[in-house]
Amino acid sequence: GAGVSQSPSNKVTEKGKDVELRCDPISGHTALYWYRQRLGQGLEFLIYFQGNSAPDKSGLPSDRFSAERTGESVSTLTIQRTQQEDSAVYLCASSLAAAGGPYEQYFGPGTRLTVT
Amino acid sequence: AQSVSQHNHHVILSEAASLELGCNYSYGGTVNLFWYVQYPGQHLQLLLKYFSGDPLVKGIKGFEAEFIKSKFSFNLRKPSVQWSDTAEYFCAVSYSSASKIIFGSGTRLSIRP
Repeated sequence: GAGVSQSPSNKVTEKGKDVELRCDPISGHTALYWYRQRLGQGLEFLIYFQGNSAPDKSGLPSDRFSAERTGESVSTLTIQRTQQEDSAVYLCASSLAAAGGPYEQYFGPGTRLTVT
Repeated sequence: AQSVSQHNHHVILSEAASLELGCNYSYGGTVNLFWYVQYPGQHLQLLLKYFSGDPLVKGIKGFEAEFIKSKFSFNLRKPSVQWSDTAEYFCAVSYSSASKIIFGSGTRLSIRP
């Protein structure tokens, strides 16, 4: 079956512009996660959606970052007024339920964001 | 603060050598532990996971990991590595009080043929 997909695969934007990144999770997966991976570093948790519960936004680095998810479908991560330090690969993952339980996360290919 | 430490940033081994990658997590009570791998040009994928029971966990491709609660560790091992094991390896933890998974900074493994 289809895996997690993300678009665009690459995005180059000018400093100060807004960008929107999209994630299509695996059908039926109630949990969805966004991570950021800067060059040579680990995965930094950004936000987590689980069903209809309030999202865990504890990892969002600033109020320029926001994310939405409608039901158990597509999610968009929006970065407003991009800065050069936002340059990174943004990864999305989905799982059947909370990955704190026995459910594996499936990762998408990521969106490589470059802010010039 | 909840955190995961991977002390080896880059490990270089010859084929057939034994592998052990370190992973330590901060105290947080009950934990669930994971190792993920990212092969060059591919997505992150799960190698193995620990939730409860036998602290020695076996995963895909001959990898195993041992949960040692007293040491807050979950080291990854493989008795004999192959060139195809060249990849980046990430340790991750989730705590019972939260659902998010926290990742370590990763260890790059290079295997000399």
